[in-house]
Amino acid sequence: NAGVTQTPKFQVLKTGQSMTLQCAQDMNHEYMSWYRQDPGMGLRLIHYSVGAGITDQGEVPNGYNVSRSTTEDFPLRLLSAAPSQTSVYFCASSRQGNTDTQYFGPGTRLTVL
Amino acid sequence: QQQVKQSPQSLIVQKGGISIINCAYENTAFDYFPWYQQFPGKGPALLIAIRPDVSEKKEGRFTISFNKSAKQFSLHIMDSQPGDSATYFCAASIRGTYKYIFGTGTRLKVLA
Repeated sequence: NAGVTQTPKFQVLKTGQSMTLQCAQDMNHEYMSWYRQDPGMGLRLIHYSVGAGITDQGEVPNGYNVSRSTTEDFPLRLLSAAPSQTSVYFCASSRQGNTDTQYFGPGTRLTVL
Repeated sequence: QQQVKQSPQSLIVQKGGISIINCAYENTAFDYFPWYQQFPGKGPALLIAIRPDVSEKKEGRFTISFNKSAKQFSLHIMDSQPGDSATYFCAASIRGTYKYIFGTGTRLKVLA
């Protein structure tokens, strides 16, 4: 199993550009989520999904969109990038939600100029 | 009330020593408390987790101590090794909510 994969590994955007961060898992996990990690702030939940077709907002959802058309994929879309979205983004998945082991991807480092 | 406060921000320990990281929470609805370990350039990985119905859980050199009345929990790393040098995050979640609240992280450095 590849586990949780994320692409790209690094990305530089200009303010106002849009892009999609890709996340895929091959463990047949129902629960997937996106976090951003900023210095001194830990990881903050952006959006999560409890299964294909079901998504919900986390702690910091503004400026981001998600969709879940398949069990395997959970892309994160930045509609109009802002410098405040400069961060490291992690995707995670687990078999179930609370209490089950979350497996994190390697992260995408995004810089918005 | 959704915060999880973690301390210290950084920690330096001699090889063979004990590393202790503390977390405190306010929301008594939290019922699952995992600790994650993160190496530079990598995603966090689950290290050990505890539920509030037990006061201590041990896995190898790693122990979680849980004090429900004080709403605090801590990670103890016994016989700390240079390979333990990483950032550690505590977290908390509520059954059925699928949401995790993370602490701000502790950067641990174990000197050889």
